[in-house]
Amino acid sequence: GENVEQHPSTLSVQEGDSAVIKCTYSDSASNYFPWYKQELGKRPQLIIDIRSNVGEKKDQRIAVTLNKTAKHFSLHITETQPEDSAVYFCAASRNNNNDMRFGAGTRLTVKP
Amino acid sequence: EAQVTQNPRYLITVTGKKLTVTCSQNMNHEYMSWYRQDPGLGLRQIYYSMNVEVTDKGDVPEGYKVSRKEKRNFPLILESPSPNQTSLYFCASSFLTGRNEQFFGPGTRLTVL
Repeated sequence: GENVEQHPSTLSVQEGDSAVIKCTYSDSASNYFPWYKQELGKRPQLIIDIRSNVGEKKDQRIAVTLNKTAKHFSLHITETQPEDSAVYFCAASRNNNNDMRFGAGTRLTVKP
Repeated sequence: EAQVTQNPRYLITVTGKKLTVTCSQNMNHEYMSWYRQDPGLGLRQIYYSMNVEVTDKGDVPEGYKVSRKEKRNFPLILESPSPNQTSLYFCASSFLTGRNEQFFGPGTRLTVL
């Protein structure tokens, strides 16, 4: 089955700096890669996702890149703000959600 | 309002006392799933269901049961809870086709003494 590894486990940046979180996956048939943000005490919420037919996707300050050959994808947050502080999870799956696997999470802290 | 609800939100129980955590969604989603979240382990899938009366095991199904008698409900049953089932549990739902975004419930924090 799919195995997703996520790095780093913790990340601390200064407000205004960029943050990058990286994930690798094992199943070459995976074609859907979402990123979830979980604020303290809250539920995970989707912030951006990408499918395998696209190499990059951007939504305001966040972007995701995908390298299918290397089987890794990354989340990029620019101009970080304190409200970006949260745990971020990457995930990978094939067409159906039944085989979605999550990374272990990255705790991002943005210092004012 | 489109949402996934779970009850109870918090539960402290003792070893061996059967319990059920309910999950309900009002978005007509075919797919529903249960995850447990433990520090450093991310979200691990317990069971999932792709439609009514169709359920299957995820990565960590031992000690859990589920049922899907109606499309909107997907209860998680712990027949004989043990302390290693102390965790934060999330229910999630999504469509099977089109966008696969999973919507999560608010979570249930379970402590088994």
